[in-house]
Amino acid sequence: EPEVTQTPSHQVTQMGQEVILRCVPISNHLYFYWYRQILGQKVEFLVSFYNNEISEKSEIFDDQFSVERPDGSNFTLKIRSTKLEDSAMYFCASNPSGGQYYGYTFGSGTRLTVV
Amino acid sequence: QKEVEQNSGPLSVPEGAIASLNCTYSDRGSQSFFWYRQYSGKSPELIMSIYSNGDKEDGRFTAQLNKASQYVSLLIRDSQPSDSATYLCAVNTNAGKSTFGDGTTLTVKP
Repeated sequence: EPEVTQTPSHQVTQMGQEVILRCVPISNHLYFYWYRQILGQKVEFLVSFYNNEISEKSEIFDDQFSVERPDGSNFTLKIRSTKLEDSAMYFCASNPSGGQYYGYTFGSGTRLTVV
Repeated sequence: QKEVEQNSGPLSVPEGAIASLNCTYSDRGSQSFFWYRQYSGKSPELIMSIYSNGDKEDGRFTAQLNKASQYVSLLIRDSQPSDSATYLCAVNTNAGKSTFGDGTTLTVKP
């Protein structure tokens, strides 16, 4: 079964540093998403991406965050100047067409710990 | 009011029983509804989707949707210990974007 692959599985970084989280979506999927889940809290939408541009972003996704699809397969989330409160699980997801009627395939996540 | 609200849980049922998980949503324009299962420390896994009023069955799982009441539920029949997980209700209002509830943690006791 096709998978969404995320690397690294765990990232520890010092406050103020930049991190890049990587994702390889399912190859024939067109819409890509980043969500985060702070420990014990709900899954929160960050950003959706289609056709090499952001289609929607949440209020969480401020200037500290950026996304990129540097090549035909990878989809990255960059977090600049990390803060303690950025510590969370970050999930990449994709779906075939981005329409309302498709659920997500999630990657296994990257646990980001900011110290 | 939360956009997507679920039973606060935790919910505990004996093995073989029916587990009932409930979800309400605030946006009447919502069109599609999903249930995800999330094991501790893992990513959410899509288990059911429903778009029309009524019931949708898939194996031991039945999703029920009532748009007039803005209510969606998940029934798990013949619950197994392996069903023990957090169940997330998700609602799509815009193209592709899902809003998740807080989740309900289910424990199935052998």
